[in-house]
Amino acid sequence: GAGVSQSPRYKVAKRGQDVALRCDPISGHVSLFWYQQALGQGPEFLTYFQNEAQLDKSGLPSDRFFAERPEGSVSTLKIQRTQQEDSAVYLCASKNTGSSDTQYFGPGTRLTVL
Amino acid sequence: AQSVTQLGSHVSVSEGALVLLRCNYSSSVPPYLFWYVQYPNQGLQLLLKYTSAATLVKGINGFEAEFKKSETSFHLTKPSAHMSDAAEYFCAVSAPGGYNKLIFGAGTRLAVHP
Repeated sequence: GAGVSQSPRYKVAKRGQDVALRCDPISGHVSLFWYQQALGQGPEFLTYFQNEAQLDKSGLPSDRFFAERPEGSVSTLKIQRTQQEDSAVYLCASKNTGSSDTQYFGPGTRLTVL
Repeated sequence: AQSVTQLGSHVSVSEGALVLLRCNYSSSVPPYLFWYVQYPNQGLQLLLKYTSAATLVKGINGFEAEFKKSETSFHLTKPSAHMSDAAEYFCAVSAPGGYNKLIFGAGTRLAVHP
């Protein structure tokens, strides 16, 4: 079946611009995660959704970062007034509700802020 | 709190040689442990996971890992490296129960030379 998809795959933004990154999870997956992967680093947790409810946003680095999943399926990560330090790969993952279920990752969106 | 340490940011082996990638974890509760592989410009793919069943876990592509509680380790091995194994490998930990956000190590880049 179809995996997790993300769009766009690459985004170049000028400093100060707003960007929106989209994630389409595996159909039926209740749980959705966003991670940020800086160059040469492991992914770091940003936020978690269970259906449409955002249950954990403790990893969002600033109030310029906002995520939503209004219908419990597609999710959007929005970054306002982008800064150079926001340059990273943004990964989305989805899983079923079982505690030991696997998180399946999308290919990521590489954001470059100039 | 949980954390992961991957010893060696770069590992180089000859084709056909043993692959050993080291991972040590810290967790206040019995953990779930994962190894993911990332090929260039792709998302993360699960190699294997430990979820409190057998301590020796076999994964895809001939990889396996052994959970050693006394050593707080979950090292990844493969008896004979292939050129196609060249990639970035990430060890991750999560806490059972809840929604299982992943805490990743910094990654180990594996190079395989003829």
